Amino acid sequence: DTGVSQDPRHKITKRGQNVTFRCDPISEHNRLYWYRQTLGQGPEFLTYFQNEAQLEKSRLLSDRFSAERPKGSFSTLEIQRTEQGDSAMYLCASSLDFPTSTDTQYFGPGTRLTVL
Amino acid sequence: GESVGLHLPTLSVQEGDNSIINCAYSNSASDYFIWYKQESGKGPQFIIDIRSNMDKRQGQRVTVLLNKTVKHLSLQIAATQPGDSAVYFCAEITGGSYIPTFGRGTSLIVHP
Repeated sequence: DTGVSQDPRHKITKRGQNVTFRCDPISEHNRLYWYRQTLGQGPEFLTYFQNEAQLEKSRLLSDRFSAERPKGSFSTLEIQRTEQGDSAMYLCASSLDFPTSTDTQYFGPGTRLTVL
Repeated sequence: GESVGLHLPTLSVQEGDNSIINCAYSNSASDYFIWYKQESGKGPQFIIDIRSNMDKRQGQRVTVLLNKTVKHLSLQIAATQPGDSAVYFCAEITGGSYIPTFGRGTSLIVHP
């Protein structure tokens, strides 16, 4: 499968713990996005990378959240001191040239985080 | 702030019927619109897109209509099949941005 992959698919943690999620984009894609999605809602943008540079961050991305893409390939999203409100699906997407061409974003299956 | 929204949270249709899912947007600066389909346990999947210089675009069994005058977007699915059952999101992108803003979603239920 050459699509976007995310690991783990599910994570249950206790409030106050740190968690880290990984996203492996489609190999030639230089753009990578992180989103958060709660039930019944559309994905909310968190942050965006072009290669290894983090070019944009949402106000939703509090100082407890950090994302990296060290070599311009895979990316990690870390949440420190998790809160129950962090419970959501965390989606990763990648693209080659979206939206400036006919290319589109390709989404991974997401990581479902539950904070107890 | 300005946002993208959907009129109907749930749409139930019979197999073979045509489905229409609507979306209202309020940002007049948006110039690119996308419809996504999201099945349970999966990430959103691109269905069709349209740029603001067009008012209609057709794909395989799907048509997107854009009415800039009333800031309305619709997705038409012809001969709806059980496999079309999913949540559908519209998203808008403002010129110069790389980031789509998603609406709330409409759940489409297709009865065999």
